[in-house]
Amino acid sequence: EVKLLESGGGLVQPGGSMRLSCAASGFTFTDFYMYWIRQPAGKAPEWLGFIRNKANGYTTEYNPSVKGRFTISRDNTQNMLYLQMNTLRAEDTATYYCARRIYGGYVMDAWGQGASVTVSS
Amino acid sequence: DIQMTQSPASLSASLGETVTIECRASEDIYNGLAWYQQKPGKSPQLLIYNANSLHTGVPSRFSGSGSGTQYSLKINSLQSEDVASYFCQQYYNYPDTFGAGTKLELK
Repeated sequence: EVKLLESGGGLVQPGGSMRLSCAASGFTFTDFYMYWIRQPAGKAPEWLGFIRNKANGYTTEYNPSVKGRFTISRDNTQNMLYLQMNTLRAEDTATYYCARRIYGGYVMDAWGQGASVTVSS
Repeated sequence: DIQMTQSPASLSASLGETVTIECRASEDIYNGLAWYQQKPGKSPQLLIYNANSLHTGVPSRFSGSGSGTQYSLKINSLQSEDVASYFCQQYYNYPDTFGAGTKLELK
């Protein structure tokens, strides 16, 4: 069974940093592109970016809205995905999801349960 | 960025009814469109991809159609478990963008 489990959310002050983790299991992690998506309460999801699979060199793409502040990485020995968030703002408050891209496609076929991040003083 | 305009924002329907949700893209997205269902407190779940392909395990009462800039999700014979929010997503161009969502309730 495919499982994705986020951790590391919580309350952070404006200007601060936070790292989210996502533990993956039930599939061959290195075969898949992995995504981060966030969703403010009651609003639409926002695609933050992704990291490619082994065959595509683990390179990354980012939404311009977070490029330069957020960094996606992965530890393929531990089947872990990470999202490093710096210079956080109130508008970064949201539930953050990790997700897997469907094999051979462009959509997300498995999502974690989400990690809540609140940016407030 | 490609803008996705989704309608209606909310919808109330009776059990057994057929409902349709629409998404309009700000430019041609060449069928690069997915639909997700999100139940309260849960993460989104993939329903449809490539505008009209049903994801594995999704009931056949769900269907997608459209082309160019206009796409729709149809739910036939509405069931109680279909109460949820529905989002469209375009993945033709980076960054992927989502519609604002449709909240479906039972009448």
